[in-house]
Amino acid sequence: SQTIHQWPATLVQPVGSPLSLECTVEGTSNPNLYWYRQAAGRGLQLLFYSVGIGQISSEVPQNLSASRPQDRQFILSSKKLLLSDSGFYLCAYLRAPGETQYFGPGTRLLVL
Amino acid sequence: TQLLEQSPQFLSIQEGENLTVYCNSSSVFSSLQWYRQEPGEGPVLLVTVVTGGEVKKLKRLTFQFGDARKDSSLHITAAQPGDTGLYLCAGPGSNTGKLIFGQGTTLQVKP
Repeated sequence: SQTIHQWPATLVQPVGSPLSLECTVEGTSNPNLYWYRQAAGRGLQLLFYSVGIGQISSEVPQNLSASRPQDRQFILSSKKLLLSDSGFYLCAYLRAPGETQYFGPGTRLLVL
Repeated sequence: TQLLEQSPQFLSIQEGENLTVYCNSSSVFSSLQWYRQEPGEGPVLLVTVVTGGEVKKLKRLTFQFGDARKDSSLHITAAQPGDTGLYLCAGPGSNTGKLIFGQGTTLQVKP
């Protein structure tokens, strides 16, 4: 069976500090990987997606970047966090187009 | 641009009442999915509807896909406090598996 992990679960960071959120998937090969941000009680905004190692597509201009150094690892980063980067970050994977997208448990980021 | 509009955005009801959540678009979708999300957790898939006019039932939840595949509804019968959460509809946006999400409906069921 497939599983998806995210860490850390919660993070409090000062403005201007760097960020690295990690997502890993087990039990499947060459998945599509996604990073979303969610405001409290709202829908999901797609930030980045990747269809393969080293392939990153950005959906919205922002202070964040993504990387996929390994097949089942997806990293969300920032060099300098802004207050507006606070939110709930969700990673998701898809085994193949047309199949269900599965979500990780999320990381709550608070930038102070 | 494909958009999904959910209504209502917030719903607070008493245990035992019925409710319906709507997900509408001006675009045709090949399928629509409904997710339920609890605070601090990732969304969990409830159902996928793929055929126009399709009706799927999951215990007290009934999901319907519009005949023209532009809209869907979620009906909950005799709501319970355990139904409380954020309900999201989503549809495929491209062949890369991107999902377009509605803005969500927050449901609170009071005992």
